[in-house]
Amino acid sequence: GQNIDQPTEMTATEGAIVQINCTYQTSGFNGLFWYQQHAGEAPTFLSYNVLDGLEEKGRFSSFLSRSKGYSYLLLKELQMKDSASYLCAVTPMNTGFQKLVFGTGTRLLVSP
Amino acid sequence: DVKVTQSSRYLVKRTGEKVFLECVQDMDHENMFWYRQDPGLGLRLIYFSYDVKMKEKGDIPEGYSVSREKKERFSLILESASTNQTSMYLCASSLPSGRGEQYFGPGTRLTVT
Repeated sequence: GQNIDQPTEMTATEGAIVQINCTYQTSGFNGLFWYQQHAGEAPTFLSYNVLDGLEEKGRFSSFLSRSKGYSYLLLKELQMKDSASYLCAVTPMNTGFQKLVFGTGTRLLVSP
Repeated sequence: DVKVTQSSRYLVKRTGEKVFLECVQDMDHENMFWYRQDPGLGLRLIYFSYDVKMKEKGDIPEGYSVSREKKERFSLILESASTNQTSMYLCASSLPSGRGEQYFGPGTRLTVT
């Protein structure tokens, strides 16, 4: 099975850097996703990691270490619009239909 | 851009009513999914479908059924709504190949009174 853990809530200041961690215990997975979800809206895709290492995309970066069962999402130069929930999800191996298993999400509050 | 639409943003139903939630995607995706999202529990998979007329139970299928008569449309049915089914319901779709990225609809906030 899969067990995915994320902090429930984090706060940060505009312009700062924040790191949102995701740890997982899983029997195996294909890849790890990060989604962003603003309050009352649909989750939207942010990043995907299949290999160990850092994937950078503008202000957002995502890191994966399979051996440590660990991922993080790094947000730089925080803006007020980054206030949202951030969802970590894995695609379990051998599901055939590419199911996603989600963590409970981390709510990020960015203050001025 | 992929577009996933859901029939209602907000819905209020009474206990015991039969409820239909509709989801339509316009990108010819084979896979479609229904989740519910509750505070502290995250997104939980109810049912998914990988082809027309094909369906598989997710993690919490009890009290729900689904229908997929056309590729673009996936319906979630609450046969007899109960108060513990008050939740946000999210539909998603994806291709069967590649990394499996899912595209989500805006959600339906269902309240059962």
